[in-house]
Amino acid sequence: DAKTTQPPSMDCAEGRAANLPCNHSTISGNEYVYWYRQIHSQGPQYIIHGLKNNETNEMASLIITEDRKSSTLILPHATLRDTAVYYCIVRVVVRGSQGNLIFGKGTKLSVKP
Amino acid sequence: NAGVTQTPKFRILKIGQSMTLQCTQDMNHNYMYWYRQDPGMGLKLIYYSVGAGITDKGEVPNGYNVSRSTTEDFPLRLELAAPSQTSVYFCASSLTGTGGGSPLHFGNGTRLTVT
Repeated sequence: DAKTTQPPSMDCAEGRAANLPCNHSTISGNEYVYWYRQIHSQGPQYIIHGLKNNETNEMASLIITEDRKSSTLILPHATLRDTAVYYCIVRVVVRGSQGNLIFGKGTKLSVKP
Repeated sequence: NAGVTQTPKFRILKIGQSMTLQCTQDMNHNYMYWYRQDPGMGLKLIYYSVGAGITDKGEVPNGYNVSRSTTEDFPLRLELAAPSQTSVYFCASSLTGTGGGSPLHFGNGTRLTVT
């Protein structure tokens, strides 16, 4: 099973870009990389996902290395409301299911004024 | 759309009591999931469903039961509550399986304490 490694915590100044790294060196060729975040123990919120190409949406950008062994989530202009735990997840197949996403401990991002 | 709605938001149970955690979604998603999150930890999958009438076990199914009689609803049943089931429970849904790149949409959780 592909697993992910993230730093436990990061700080970022308000208005600056937040770059959150994730290692997934055992990822398989058909596994997606997902990013979610969780604010104040609310339900996790989907941010973005990708397979091979870099992706961008209204919330963030996802940069995946060419060998797919790591990725970076970029919040271009971090605000105080972006303070949250960010989870990098590689989709895992369990017992033939298509539903299992393994959430690790994530990275706690603190955006400071 | 309301998205994924969970009730109740909070509940305290005594050991041995039973309860049902309710989850409903209005996005016509086929897949639904139940996760639990212990303090300071990530989420663990309890059960999931790929459509009405079809359910399967996740990583930590012991002590729980589920049913999926409709596309919209996916209740989670605790039959004999134990302190180890003290946790925050999240319900989620997705249009297709996550293997196809379909993201999960989560509810805001039910905080359960068993004493």
